Amino acid sequence: EAGVAQSPRYKIIEKRQSVAFWCNPISGHATLYWYQQILGQGPKLLIQFQNNGVVDDSQLPKDRFSAERLKGVDSTLKIQPAKLEDSAVYLCASSLQRASRGIQYFGAGTRLSVL
Amino acid sequence: ELKVEQNPLFLSMQEGKNYTIYCNYSTTSDRLYWYRQDPGKSLESLFVLLSNGAVKQEGRLMASLDTKARLSTLHITAAVHDLSATYFCAAMIKAAGNKLTFGGGTRVLVKP
Repeated sequence: EAGVAQSPRYKIIEKRQSVAFWCNPISGHATLYWYQQILGQGPKLLIQFQNNGVVDDSQLPKDRFSAERLKGVDSTLKIQPAKLEDSAVYLCASSLQRASRGIQYFGAGTRLSVL
Repeated sequence: ELKVEQNPLFLSMQEGKNYTIYCNYSTTSDRLYWYRQDPGKSLESLFVLLSNGAVKQEGRLMASLDTKARLSTLHITAAVHDLSATYFCAAMIKAAGNKLTFGGGTRVLVKP
């Protein structure tokens, strides 16, 4: 079974530029999550999708971050304009909608450096 | 708001000895997860603990949950170098949409 795919793996941009990350979840997983992991910290949830709809985006900085999940499969996370403090690893995860154990499976992440 | 704290933040282990990582969470949670992360890699699920008194074991790792104390522990028996990684616990409240709240992680380094 293929895992969660993310691209690119690395991205270096200058502040005020824009950047987009892509995620393809495990086939059949209805729930998709985007996390931000700052160096030395645990992941922090940015946004959660259930199929096409947003379940929780309470910690998404909506003035600069946006995310969409078209057709309930792939998702993109965009930052525009980027700030220095956005430097982090952006992790995508997916899970089955009705999994009794609710395990989230994570992709390898995109490491963003904002200069 | 659910908060999760782990300690210690860093653990230097000697091969062959036993160690414990602690995970405290601030409010009643439905599930407790343990993940492992190797440098530059993603998070790998280790254990899911669903109820009070739950104990799960896999190889040299054993996780337990005390919901009354809001405490989970990850016990490492006879540490080996391959266990060097960062370990995260995460708590979930189903009523909050199955959102995971992670602790800050415990970086483990096993020395020969």
